[in-house]
Order: sequence, then structure tokens, then C-alpha cells
Amino acid sequence: DGGITQSPKYLFRKEGQNVTLSCEQNLNHDAMYWYRQDPGQGLRLIYYSQIVNDFQKGDIAEGYSVSREKKESFPLTVTSAQKNPTAFYLCASSIDARQGVYYGYTFGSGTRLTVV
Amino acid sequence: AQSVSQHNHHVILSEAASLELGCNYSYGGTVNLFWYVQYPGQHLQLLLKYFSGDPLVKGIKGFEAEFIKSKFSFNLRKPSVQWSDTAEYFCAVNRRSSNTGKLIFGQGTTLQVKP
Repeated sequence: DGGITQSPKYLFRKEGQNVTLSCEQNLNHDAMYWYRQDPGQGLRLIYYSQIVNDFQKGDIAEGYSVSREKKESFPLTVTSAQKNPTAFYLCASSIDARQGVYYGYTFGSGTRLTVV
Repeated sequence: AQSVSQHNHHVILSEAASLELGCNYSYGGTVNLFWYVQYPGQHLQLLLKYFSGDPLVKGIKGFEAEFIKSKFSFNLRKPSVQWSDTAEYFCAVNRRSSNTGKLIFGQGTTLQVKP
């Protein structure tokens, strides 16, 4: 079955460490997205990529970095510069909206990151 | 800045009660509208969507939503809720003029249905 796989499901990080969250999709979607979910704040966009080797900052990109070397993969690195990294991180993908027909996202199951 | 507002943060209903969750957005251009649901322990899934045409759209599990352009609203309704509808509900907007698939989400509404 096609879908999005996020790993790990739970991640613990010490202060000052960088960590990388994995997101892989086999839906042949061009676009991929990273969101952060915090209670009472909904989902906020961190980064998105519409095509391989290209990505754009979202609303809360500071302290995060991404890469998009392959269509299937869009890893997110939470750096030590992120002041409050404890959150639930969601990856999503979609067809390229520039193709004219857009159906919204398919989501992964998320990674819960806790700073200890 | 564009925003999406969900007025109810936490709703508690008894089974068989009717549900209406409010969603308003601030962008004046053409939009695609979505409702997503996150059941406990599960990932977000699409409940329904609106692109054009009939402003009353029907989704899965008996949910429906009405797009009222003049009010910039896309409220979610269900005539009779069940305990299994307990979940968090998110409204989301895509601006067509952005030429991207970016979705802007509301803050979410937690629905608790008492058996």
C-alpha cells in the first residue's frame, strides 16, 4: 500500500544535540511538507518542497533544516538552535498543486520529539 | 497575515447530539477548503474537501460542511454524533493563487462524545 512512513515514532534528544527525523513516501508525490503540532496551536508549517532539490521555508523554519535529494525522502533536522523543540512533528505529501488539480495531503503517523 | 480560526477549542457532547464546528478564514481570494480528523492514536485523515460547485459537501462518516463565501466560513456539521467521533478536528485552507499545495491549519477543536 502507498503511504508515508515517519521514523522514529518517539525520539529523545539531549539539549544541544541535532536530531534528524525521517520521512519517506511511495505515493509518487512531488510535494512534501513538515509541520509541527503543539496543543492549542494546530499545525504550523516548518518547510515544504515542491520538487527534488528545492525547498522553501514555512512559517516557523528557524532552528530547522531540510534536504530533498530524492523524490521519496524529505528528512528534517532539528538543530540545537531550535529553542523549544519538544513537539509532535508531522510529515505530509501531495501532488504538485501547479498541475492544476489538488486533493490535499496524505499524512504520516508523526514523530514525537522530547528534549531531555 | 492569512489565518484560519476555529472558534471552539474543546466541545463536549452526548451521543446523538448534533454537532457544528466553526471555521473562518481571512483570505479573500479563491480557496480550497478541507476538514481533517485525528482520532486518538491515529494519524490525520481527510474528512471532506471543497474545491468548487455545490457549497454543501458531504464527507465520510456522515459529516458535511457548508462553504459560505460571504462569511468566509466552512463549518463542519453532523446531525447525530457517536462516541467514535471523539477526536481532534482541523480546518485547513489552501490559497489557489499561492500556486503551491501549502495548507494553513486552524488551531483544532477537540471533540469529546460521552456515551
